[in-house]
This record gives sequence, structure tokens and C-alpha cells, in this order.
Amino acid sequence: DGGITQSPKYLFRKEGQNVTLSCEQNLNHDAMYWYRQDPGQGLRLIYYSQIVNDFQKGDIAEGYSVSREKKESFPLTVTSAQKNPTAFYLCASRYSSTDTQYFGPGTRLTVL
Amino acid sequence: AQTVTQSQPEMSVQEAETVTLSCTYDTSESDYYLFWYKQPPSRQMILVIRQEAYKQQNATENRFSVNFQKAAKSFSLKISDSQLGDAAMYFCAYTHRGATNKLIFGTGTLLAVQP
Repeated sequence: DGGITQSPKYLFRKEGQNVTLSCEQNLNHDAMYWYRQDPGQGLRLIYYSQIVNDFQKGDIAEGYSVSREKKESFPLTVTSAQKNPTAFYLCASRYSSTDTQYFGPGTRLTVL
Repeated sequence: AQTVTQSQPEMSVQEAETVTLSCTYDTSESDYYLFWYKQPPSRQMILVIRQEAYKQQNATENRFSVNFQKAAKSFSLKISDSQLGDAAMYFCAYTHRGATNKLIFGTGTLLAVQP
């Protein structure tokens, strides 16, 4: 059963803590993306990776970090430097033949 | 910079009726793609339909079709025979073939379906 999984579904963080959001895909896609969604807004790109061991900053990368050690995995760390981390985070991977991105179910992060 | 605009924050349609959601975009690129994504209350982003800019023919997926007007930079979504399960937030998105292939989203249209 192919697809993209994200965990956890809900995450609570105290101020000053780093947290890591998981994203795994078994679609054999090379490119993966992290987006952030705030109420009343569309999605904004945080980081993306076109290939293993390479990644690039998106439009709102400050306070976030990523790694891409395996093709299947693209974890996102929300650091204490992110001033307003409470949001819904969506991971996507891209099917290169059609340039279409497919999304995981998302993680809701709340800072207490 | 590319932008995507959805001017209808909310829309409502009666079950079995037809509704059209509007989207305009701005780009100087010639090789690009346009998408409509659906986000139900579960919040997962689901692909509804995809249009390639170089294709003049409007894309169709079952009850969903688009009206792609390239010169006007307009990309509307028509939902025919609306069903209760169509109720969701709908996002228009743009990407162009390039280094990032990032998606640029509009702010969404919340569609309510009345029984």
C-alpha cells in the first residue's frame, strides 16, 4: 500500500524545546517537501529535497532544519529558534513524470 | 514572483447542483502546471485535478472539470452533481518546471454542500 505517512498526528511542545516531525514515503519519489499551513492561509514551503543528501531552504526556513539520509525519509526539526511554531505541517513527495505533489496526512504542532 | 489568487473565501451549493470555484494566477513562465487540491476536515491535501499549461484541452476527472484560460491566467474548477462529500476547502496551486518545483497556493475557498 503505497503512500506518505507522517507522525505523530498531534504534537505538543513546550517553549524552548526542539521537536522532530517524521515523514516517510514508499512511492520511490526523489523529491520531498515540507509545507506549513496557518489558519486562513495556503501552504508555504519550508524546505525541499530533490535527492538524497541534498536539501534547500524554502520561503520560511528560519527556525527549522531537515535531513535526507534516505530516499524514503525526510524528517523536519522545529527548533526553539522558530518564534511561532504552532501550525499544521504537511509533507509531500513529487512524482517527477507529471510534476505532481502528493501529500501526507499532516502533523498538528502546538506550543504550550 | 508567481502568485495565486482565490477571490471567493466561501461558497455554497445545493446537493446535485453545479458550482464553479475561481482562481487567477500571475506568472511570466510558459511551462507550468496548475492544480486543484481538496482539503476535507481531516486536513489531508488531496489532488483533485491537474492541468498542463501547454495543453489547450481542459482537464476532466469524473464530476470535476476545469476552465483553463491561459491568456487571462484563469483556472476555475467546476464541480457537477455536487455531493455531501465534496464539502471541503479547495486550494488552487501553481508550479513551474524548474529547480524547486515548489507549489504556490492560493488562500482557499471553503465549499459547503447543502442537502
